[in-house]
Parts: sequence; C-alpha cells; structure tokens
Amino acid sequence: DSGVTQTPKHLITATGQRVTLRCSPRSGDLSVYWYQQSLDQGLQFLIQYYNGEERAKGNILERFSAQQFPDLHSELNLSSLELGDSALYFCASSPRAGVGNTIYFGEGSWLTVV
Amino acid sequence: QQQVKQSPQSLIVQKGGISIINCAYENTAFDYFPWYQQFPGKGPALLIAIRPDVSEKKEGRFTISFNKSAKQFSLHIMDSQPGDSATYFCAAQGGGNKLTFGTGTQLKVEL
Repeated sequence: DSGVTQTPKHLITATGQRVTLRCSPRSGDLSVYWYQQSLDQGLQFLIQYYNGEERAKGNILERFSAQQFPDLHSELNLSSLELGDSALYFCASSPRAGVGNTIYFGEGSWLTVV
Repeated sequence: QQQVKQSPQSLIVQKGGISIINCAYENTAFDYFPWYQQFPGKGPALLIAIRPDVSEKKEGRFTISFNKSAKQFSLHIMDSQPGDSATYFCAAQGGGNKLTFGTGTQLKVEL
C-alpha cells in the first residue's frame, strides 16, 4: 500500500458527461501528480500541484482540469467525456517538488466511457 | 515526441534466468532515472533508481546499468522468479520534476 488513496476505483459513464476523480496523497506529501494510462499512450503525465499551486502541466486536455485543496487532497475533473478518455487515471504524490523525490502512485481510477 | 524509448515490449524468461530491459533517453536535462514495477490492477511502484553520476546501482537481484555518454540505461533482474512477472517502466526526471515514462515491458517468468 503506497498510502495514496484514489476514489472511485471504477467508474462507467456516458459520452458527454462529467466526472470527478479524487485523490488523497500520502500523509505529509505536498506534491500531487495526475497520470493517464492507456494501452496506446502508455503512462502520460497530466498535471502536477505543489502545496496548492499548479507546478507543471503535461498533455492535459482543455476539457480536463484539476486542483489541490488546502488539505492537500486533489481532484481531477473530466468533462464532455469522449470514448477515447477511457483509461486508468493515477494520482501520485511525493514529499516535495524536486528531482529525486520518490513518487508514490495510488491504485488508480478506472474510467470507462460508453 | 517520445523522450524515453524502452525495449523490448515484452519478454519471456525462464526461472533463474536474467531479464534485461533497455531504455534510451534524448533530453540531457534528465538527471534521475527510476524504474517502476507494476502488477495488474495496481499502481506503479518504485523498484530502483539511479543518478547519472554513477554507472551502476545494485539492490538485491535488481541492477541498473547507466551509460551517460550513450544516454542509455538498463535494468537487469538476476535469478528471475515467477513473482517478478509484471510490467516494468523506466522513467526519467529532470528539472520539471515530472516523470517521463518509457512505454513499458511486460515480463513473464516461466517455471
């Protein structure tokens, strides 16, 4: 158990809908990351927050947004969902923002768009 | 643009054999190279990591070999066991802190 908690574990929703994925980082970790894993794209970095502030942005679609709250939990909002958004979404956390900090992954949220 | 190339895509090794997975990177700003292990239904978990100022790091049966001039690094799993069957990802991290992952290698260790 990495200590990173993600909910829900599984989610099935229809095209055009909006969903929110929730992440609780490891206790004390200030940095949160979101990754998308799909068969054709592998593990793709979406966005990073550090202590409530956006730190880095990757290949995140404009339909997607995220935030980190004062209690350090994070949410990833996916809207106007398309079939191609079906993937496993991982949240990860690390103690600080800096090279060499071990990044711990949660078990992911499986999103299926039908 | 894939910044970390990983091969092979899949690998079958006999129990007790050596598993070797290779990665190559392009961005010279990368200065931390971790390997992650992922079992089905689980998130990736850090296995071993190396900085470019050393050429080799060993932890138990797992060894990373690093060639800075060639911009290549590899994972060697000695005495491979069925419990090692998983997907392995190499990754690279630079100033931006995010991890850039390779495409993954599915390892199967057969009895």
